[in-house]
Amino acid sequence: KNQVEQSPQSLIILEGKNCTLQCNYTVSPFSNLRWYKQDTGRGPVSLTIMTFSENTKSNGRYTATLDADTKQSSLHITASQLSDSASYICVVSAIRNDYKLSFGAGTTVTVRA
Amino acid sequence: GAVVSQHPSRVICKSGTSVKIECRSLDFQATTMFWYRQFPKQSLMLMATSNEGSKATYEQGVEKDKFLINHASLTLSTLTVTSAHPEDSSFYICSARDLTDSYSNQPQHFGDGTRLSIL
Repeated sequence: KNQVEQSPQSLIILEGKNCTLQCNYTVSPFSNLRWYKQDTGRGPVSLTIMTFSENTKSNGRYTATLDADTKQSSLHITASQLSDSASYICVVSAIRNDYKLSFGAGTTVTVRA
Repeated sequence: GAVVSQHPSRVICKSGTSVKIECRSLDFQATTMFWYRQFPKQSLMLMATSNEGSKATYEQGVEKDKFLINHASLTLSTLTVTSAHPEDSSFYICSARDLTDSYSNQPQHFGDGTRLSIL
């Protein structure tokens, strides 16, 4: 069973609207959680990275939250743009095993005009 | 920011051919690079960890004789898919970690991937 579960699997939103993606994990002991954006046919690009003590982190219109107690994270996209259409991947790493990353299956976001 | 260059971006070849994919860290040194495979609508799956100057570490189920990895310098790792068959068709992605980064909290830097299609 995957240690990182993302929902929804996909979503379609209208340009200018907001959306929130969810990530639940069971990786332990927790080191950090990262959100990546992956455009079709490209490699993942880091959006945010959070450690145990961080509850929220922003990168432009992207805001990630982390609740290490419930092992949940979310990625909020504000005022979506057509260029936000991509797969968003939640990645979690464990303490003392930081090189091994546990990947979620991703949420495919499609922004329509 | 840190850049990882992967080449080629796309390969189409006949069954039985061996294919080499290069992964270069352009503006930093990486003692460790990672090779992933990604099937459509699925997660990246770690295939192997490439260590400069030593043998690669393969994940369970990955054939080391099938996927040859060489990490000859601090900026270059290569993955060779030997005698490729249609089932090897996939999206292969490498990543690297900056040698000078602190132990944790730094993102691995990913290449743009190689789309391999075996006919």
